[in-house]
Amino acid sequence: DAGITQSPRYKITETGRQVTLMCHQTWSHSYMFWYRQDLGHGLRLIYYSAAADITDKGEVPDGYVVSRSKTENFPLTLESATRSQTSVYFCASSGQGSPYYGYTFGSGTRLTVV
Amino acid sequence: GDSVTQMEGPVTLSEEAFLTINCTYTATGYPSLFWYVQYPGEGLQLLLKATKADDKGSNKGFEATYRKETTSFHLEKGSVQVSDSAVYFCALSISNFGNEKLTFGTGTRLTIIP
Repeated sequence: DAGITQSPRYKITETGRQVTLMCHQTWSHSYMFWYRQDLGHGLRLIYYSAAADITDKGEVPDGYVVSRSKTENFPLTLESATRSQTSVYFCASSGQGSPYYGYTFGSGTRLTVV
Repeated sequence: GDSVTQMEGPVTLSEEAFLTINCTYTATGYPSLFWYVQYPGEGLQLLLKATKADDKGSNKGFEATYRKETTSFHLEKGSVQVSDSAVYFCALSISNFGNEKLTFGTGTRLTIIP
């Protein structure tokens, strides 16, 4: 299917476990982003990538790791999950660096850390 | 730093009512301004945008005017429908030699009742 897909849609994990959220896009967009959405904070940027093998920190990167070995995939890993990482995570992509052209968002992954 | 402030929600209106969702911003440069909409269970979608003072963005009956003098970008619609029920996010970006990223407000949940 064309578009941007995130998996899983829902995930419950225990404190201290490693968990990876997947993001796949079919447009060969250069730019990809990970945001977390929390009540009272809106969306905050975790990491972004301008191309394969190029990643950079966003506003709230601590506790997260990303990689981008292929243009179409941008997985987000929580190396040792904490309850404060309970959130809804959105992946987005863009063919251009500028937001002027709009970001395309996935449907999100709701992560609960117990 | 750059930031966006949205009116507190949730907002509940009757069908065909007039809608205003307030958004103000703080930025050191000259931002581009955006409204994104998130329908239940979906990712965010770009609703409209404006890139300079006095520009009006419009889409699906929604409008917003970039007001530099009041640093505002309020979202309006003359007659809302039940299908407009969603969460609305105001956002900004500032050109930084190609390193532009979106900064989001906290979101305003809108519910339209028949």
